[in-house]
Amino acid sequence: GAGVSQSPSNKVTEKGKDVELRCDPISGHTALYWYRQRLGQGLEFLIYFQGNSAPDKSGLPSDRFSAERTGESVSTLTIQRTQQEDSAVYLCASSLEAASSYEQYFGPGTRLTVT
Amino acid sequence: RKEVEQDPGPFNVPEGATVAFNCTYSNSASQSFFWYRQDCRKEPKLLMSVYSSGNEDGRFTAQLNRASQYISLLIRDSKLSDSATYLCAVSSGGSYIPTFGRGTSLIVHP
Repeated sequence: GAGVSQSPSNKVTEKGKDVELRCDPISGHTALYWYRQRLGQGLEFLIYFQGNSAPDKSGLPSDRFSAERTGESVSTLTIQRTQQEDSAVYLCASSLEAASSYEQYFGPGTRLTVT
Repeated sequence: RKEVEQDPGPFNVPEGATVAFNCTYSNSASQSFFWYRQDCRKEPKLLMSVYSSGNEDGRFTAQLNRASQYISLLIRDSKLSDSATYLCAVSSGGSYIPTFGRGTSLIVHP
């Protein structure tokens, strides 16, 4: 079946502009995660959604970052007033359930470049 | 001490070699363990889960050592196509958010 999809695949924006990144999880997956990966670095957790429960926003680096998810479908990650340090690949992953035993499946990522 | 640690490498091995990576974790309550593979400029892809009894998938063997708090990944008969970064992920029973290591780079050369 279809995997996790993300759009756009690449985004170049000017410093100070807002950007919106989209993630379509695997159908039936109730858990959705956003990560950031800077060049040559590991995965940095940003936010996690599970069904209609309140999201875990503990990884968001600043109040310029926010994310929404409608039910168990699409999620959007918004970065306001982008800064150069926001340049990174933003990865979305989904999981069958919000249980530690379930594997995550990643989308191809959105490569964000802030000039 | 970091929650999850990996030797960044790179591990540079010839085709056909056997290579092993370890991933150490600090939380003794950790219950779920995974290995992911990440190719350059690509997303991580699940390679295998790690079970308490150890598990094997073709040329890949994963093991868990709870006493010493590490997991391992063994690759036999390395192929050029095995060149990638291998990430481990560890979850504790009380957390839905896995912690990823920074990855170990493997380069398999002819």
